Amino acid sequence: GAVVSQHPSWVICKSGTSVKIECRSLDFQATTMFWYRQFPKQSLMLMATSNEGSKATYEQGVEKDKFLINHASLTLSTLTVTSAHPEDSSFYICSATYWGTSDRETQYFGPGTRLLVL
Amino acid sequence: GENVEQHPSTLSVQEGDSAVIKCTYSDSASNYFPWYKQELGKGPQLIIDIRSNVGEKKDQRIAVTLNKTAKHFSLHITETQPEDSAVYFCAASSGNYQLIWGAGTKLIIKP
Repeated sequence: GAVVSQHPSWVICKSGTSVKIECRSLDFQATTMFWYRQFPKQSLMLMATSNEGSKATYEQGVEKDKFLINHASLTLSTLTVTSAHPEDSSFYICSATYWGTSDRETQYFGPGTRLLVL
Repeated sequence: GENVEQHPSTLSVQEGDSAVIKCTYSDSASNYFPWYKQELGKGPQLIIDIRSNVGEKKDQRIAVTLNKTAKHFSLHITETQPEDSAVYFCAASSGNYQLIWGAGTKLIIKP
């Protein structure tokens, strides 16, 4: 249980195009999902917190008009990188909050999406 | 705000030996401490977690200890195997869902 998927696993696009990444909780409902960005050999950097049915909360320094987040259902959140540029190339990872039988939350992560902008 | 420091940044151990990774946190309100394993090109995988109401938790070859007074927690892997090679991250949370991450430890298991 508690499986999170991401699609696509990798994407190559031309500069100026937009890319949409999907994050799905496959066997549980997640009211809260998170989007992270990770550079090579570095830790995860939180970009935004996505709550179902409401606007995402962005971390300082993350452009909300650049990284559009939609959490339309309890099992799906999407991240759209608008007008992508080479500096947006990175590994994007989502996580979903799972409430287990102990009534305590745990974050489970997707496999990540590698974005390369040419 | 919360700050999590993780050491060492790289750890090389002989197969079969034990590995210990340590983290310290600054916010005394933190009450949840997960450990994640990340293999190259993959997302982090939760391997064990501990909450502030216990001092130790064990799952087969993996254990985590928590010292709330000193504000540090450690990951212990015994009888290391080649498949344990990966980057390990500690994190801390004060219950607002957000995780504050350590910088990661690259664990190398030498055959």
